[in-house]
Amino acid sequence: DAKTTQPNSMESNEEEPVHLPCNHSTISGTDYIHWYRQLPSQGPEYVIHGLTSNVNNRMASLAIAEDRKSSTLILHRATLRDAAVYYCILRGDYKLSFGAGTTVTVRA
Amino acid sequence: DAGVTQSPTHLIKTRGQQVTLRCSPKSGHDTVSWYQQALGQGPQFIFQYYEEEERQRGNFPDRFSGHQFPNYSSELNVNALLLGDSALYLCASSLVGANYGYTFGSGTRLTVV
Repeated sequence: DAKTTQPNSMESNEEEPVHLPCNHSTISGTDYIHWYRQLPSQGPEYVIHGLTSNVNNRMASLAIAEDRKSSTLILHRATLRDAAVYYCILRGDYKLSFGAGTTVTVRA
Repeated sequence: DAGVTQSPTHLIKTRGQQVTLRCSPKSGHDTVSWYQQALGQGPQFIFQYYEEEERQRGNFPDRFSGHQFPNYSSELNVNALLLGDSALYLCASSLVGANYGYTFGSGTRLTVV
């Protein structure tokens, strides 16, 4: 399985942007980069995914390096509801392989 | 639009017993995957079903088995329960292919005593 590396934790202030880095140096050409988040006592929630180009949706933006060996999830204005564990995952044809993720804390 | 529905939400079983967990995928999705999440860890892939066949399996023993029905719903069966099987079991549905996100259910919390 292609592996991802994320910081264990990050802190942010409310209404400030959050940049979550992810390294995936062994990514293959057909792997999509997926991001999920998990709030306490809930199942993971899909955030965003992309292949090569930067992607935007109502929740976040995904910036993908030109060589695809790293990516950054951007939460534009953090709210208290964004406090969660964020997982960066490479999806091949079938499964999602979760790592430990980044625990994001948002200060009011 | 209902997302992924899992039942039951909580379950307590005794060592050695058997358990069946159920999952209804999001409307329009044809692929169902099951994950096990121990406390404080990320979800671990158990297996995935598509067209009623198991497509891929993670590193789980044969005690873990599954089934997908023609309406795309799925069951996870665990035989000869061990204390270590206590975990949150998550069902996720998607369309087949890597260019689609998964929708997860809220999970079934299984406690083995």
